[in-house]
Amino acid sequence: DTEVTQTPKHLVMGMTNKKSLKCEQHMGHRAMYWYKQKAKKPPELMFVYSYEKLSINESVPSRFSPECPNSSLLNLHLHALQPEDSALYLCASSHSSTGFSYEQYFGPGTRLTVT
Amino acid sequence: AQKVTQAQTEISVVEKEDVTLDCVYETRDTTYYLFWYKQPPSGELVFLIRRNSFDEQNEISGRYSWNFQKSTSSFNFTITASQVVDSAVYFCALNSAMYSNYQLIWGAGTKLIIKP
Repeated sequence: DTEVTQTPKHLVMGMTNKKSLKCEQHMGHRAMYWYKQKAKKPPELMFVYSYEKLSINESVPSRFSPECPNSSLLNLHLHALQPEDSALYLCASSHSSTGFSYEQYFGPGTRLTVT
Repeated sequence: AQKVTQAQTEISVVEKEDVTLDCVYETRDTTYYLFWYKQPPSGELVFLIRRNSFDEQNEISGRYSWNFQKSTSSFNFTITASQVVDSAVYFCALNSAMYSNYQLIWGAGTKLIIKP
């Protein structure tokens, strides 16, 4: 089973709202990722968790706050977003705790619109 | 420099035609991995293949085949007898430890349109 699930599929939020994106995988993968993807562009890495610890933060604004409650779950808490944050947010996981060499499996994404 | 170039922005073919998507990469690393992903209109990125730098054997999976040539730094993807369901954006990506264990270096993607 190579499934990564994400909820919600779509999210519309105002600039003063607080919302959370959720991601789950049951493949026993040790690394989990958040990506942001704008239309017609490749995904941009935001955060990486390895063994439930934050390994990489690609200089993401603090209005995005990741959380890894356990090895299967990954959340992205959103607060005071800007319209330019509207994008497809993808979660991924990979077998390798170091990230190197193994493919990443992606969820279906959350299409976020900030009004 | 680490870079992946997918020069074809968009390709349009009629169903049942064969189509090749080009991927050219740059890296000074000797150990690296190359990937292809498919992204249909629904948005999910689907993993297709992984190839390491020491394995230059071509790969075939059904109608899909991949040609890896280190001499030209290319990792091209061919779809034989294309179908409408193959319509998607296809990304080639590079993973090089010299750059970052976790970070994939993505090409810009090629949008493939298969007309019935």
